[in-house]
Amino acid sequence: GQQLNQSPQSMFIQEGEDVSMNCTSSSIFNTWLWYKQDPGEGPVLLIALYKAGELTSNGRLTAQFGITRKDSFLNISASIPSDVGIYFCAGLRSGGGADGLTFGKGTHLIIQP
Amino acid sequence: NAGVTQTPKFQVLKTGQSMTLQCAQDMNHNSMYWYRQDPGMGLRLIYYSASEGTTDKGEVPNGYNVSRLNKREFSLRLESAAPSQTSVYFCASSSGRAGNEQFFGPGTRLTVL
Repeated sequence: GQQLNQSPQSMFIQEGEDVSMNCTSSSIFNTWLWYKQDPGEGPVLLIALYKAGELTSNGRLTAQFGITRKDSFLNISASIPSDVGIYFCAGLRSGGGADGLTFGKGTHLIIQP
Repeated sequence: NAGVTQTPKFQVLKTGQSMTLQCAQDMNHNSMYWYRQDPGMGLRLIYYSASEGTTDKGEVPNGYNVSRLNKREFSLRLESAAPSQTSVYFCASSSGRAGNEQFFGPGTRLTVL
């Protein structure tokens, strides 16, 4: 089964720095979602993107749906300690309905003191 | 609202034993999903149910069965557990309409010895 190519695998940053991560695929997706997972918890939805070229913000988070519909990126500005965790991109091929999501392998965000 | 709940949180089985993982949602969602998450991997879809009374295979269905008991509940059964099924299992639900934002439960951590 296909998984999305998510990079980087891990990031070691200082508090206050900006963060950028992305996902690419050889296939087109009609919806892109970004999730955050804390240790021992389930993924929590951060941002949902529905249209090619769409740019959406949620507080310090900004995500974009690539114009080719084959990629997406997530930026976090002015990182804080609670941003630590694993960030997953997920894509949905169909325009709606109940299809399962295809996930990237995740980006581990680690904030150094 | 509790969202998506899963039981049990932890389980240890011996090879060949059977068990059922329970999932319930109180968001009146039509669609429900079972994923597994292995170390270093994103989530992979096992089975899903687009609506009450229907189920479909996902990416990794072998060794599992599911039951959509009613609109709220979707269970995952391992008939004869194998060490390769050691994983963290997540249930999710969505409205099933356009966009298909999925909301996840806290997970069940299963170890098969």
